[in-house]
Amino acid sequence: GAGVSQSPRYKVAKRGQDVALRCDPISGHVSLFWYQQALGQGPEFLTYFQNEAQLDKSGLPSDRFFAERPEGSVSTLKIQRTQQEDSAVYLCASSLEGAGVPPLHFGNGTRLTVT
Amino acid sequence: QKEVEQNSGPLSVPEGAIASLNCTYSDRVSQSFFWYRQYSGKSPELIMSIYSNGDKEDGRFTAQLNKASQYVSLLIRDSQPSDSATYLCAVRGPANAGKSTFGDGTTLTVKP
Repeated sequence: GAGVSQSPRYKVAKRGQDVALRCDPISGHVSLFWYQQALGQGPEFLTYFQNEAQLDKSGLPSDRFFAERPEGSVSTLKIQRTQQEDSAVYLCASSLEGAGVPPLHFGNGTRLTVT
Repeated sequence: QKEVEQNSGPLSVPEGAIASLNCTYSDRVSQSFFWYRQYSGKSPELIMSIYSNGDKEDGRFTAQLNKASQYVSLLIRDSQPSDSATYLCAVRGPANAGKSTFGDGTTLTVKP
């Protein structure tokens, strides 16, 4: 597709449930990023992949958060035993590494509500 | 102190005026600077990038960078109601440094 695709668009989970959020980056984009955006705040970095390698996971808030990109394209962010504080918009972005420092192309996000 | 600081606003300007948005950052090794626009309920979209000191103009938008002062700004000339959005400043380190760090954004309202 032309842009970064995320699914589902909205997810409601009961506290304690596990959720999986999917990101399909722009074809050919090597780098993939996950961000968490709370209402009224800027995106907060969670984790970063270059191809299938997870190079930085310093932003994952707890060991309940896990991300993977096994074939270097589609990525999944999994949150186990969801808590109310996990409620946020989860943004995926991809970028084309190469000459210079490219910007991020964001998907439409997944809005997670934990009840 | 956040790594990237922005005035939260809201900033309100009349249609046709110049809107000035400011951003400061704390990491001196930062090398790339971006302005993203985010409409309510939408994802951020890139509007400007700047990598070296000085001004960079693109249509009605001008980004200004001063690395010595660790300061980057965005000017929007001839502001339009469609410019009403939250503007996010983002900072990234050297090439292949990975993550971009975002400020919390400045909300701009352009009144007709």
